[in-house]
Amino acid sequence: QLQLQESGSALVKPSQTLSLTCVVSRGSMNNGGFSWNWIRQPPGEGLEWIGYILYDVTTSYNPSLKGRVTMSVDRSGTQFSLNLRSVTSADTAVYYCARGRWASQRSGAFDLWGQGKMVTVSS
Amino acid sequence: DTQMTQSPSSLSASVGHRVTITCHASQDITHYLNWYQQKPGRAPKLLIYDASNLQTGVPSRFRGSGSGTDFTFTITNLQPEDVASYFCQQYAIVPLTFGGGTKVEI
Repeated sequence: QLQLQESGSALVKPSQTLSLTCVVSRGSMNNGGFSWNWIRQPPGEGLEWIGYILYDVTTSYNPSLKGRVTMSVDRSGTQFSLNLRSVTSADTAVYYCARGRWASQRSGAFDLWGQGKMVTVSS
Repeated sequence: DTQMTQSPSSLSASVGHRVTITCHASQDITHYLNWYQQKPGRAPKLLIYDASNLQTGVPSRFRGSGSGTDFTFTITNLQPEDVASYFCQQYAIVPLTFGGGTKVEI
């Protein structure tokens, strides 16, 4: 069974860049049937979709993040990454990577999730 | 953005009882609606996809229905292990959006 695991810095200073990687194990991303997503959840709050990347490097981002997001994929098919620039305290959250089913030209149900990585933005 | 209005925000019910959660989309999302369960400190888990399809391995007491803008999620025969928060999520229109969540207690 494919597994996802987030890694990266747990503490980021304001105005700097948050960088996270999602390592894909027991399988590969080399399958056109899925999207690879980042989703976050501020403490005690709901879920916010950040964006997805496909294996062909096509991306879609949430406009609410105002162009601060970049996602990339490792061509080995074993990891994908998130960069979020110019962070503020509002970006403090648990960040999840998740696999989405690709159906009807859409990123569908998130059927596999990483355990989540808590990232705090603070000086 | 497509707003997903979920209600109630919390509820309490007895073991064995039926629980119903509703999710209203601000525009027509046809059947592109999923439901997740999240327990404290854990990642969400997919329960229902495409409004009414049960994810593999999920108990049949979880059910989903609806189309267009109005959707319903039901837990029949509530069990102690169902204590969690539940979220709806639409994927008809980017950005993908979630409901605010419903906290279910016994």
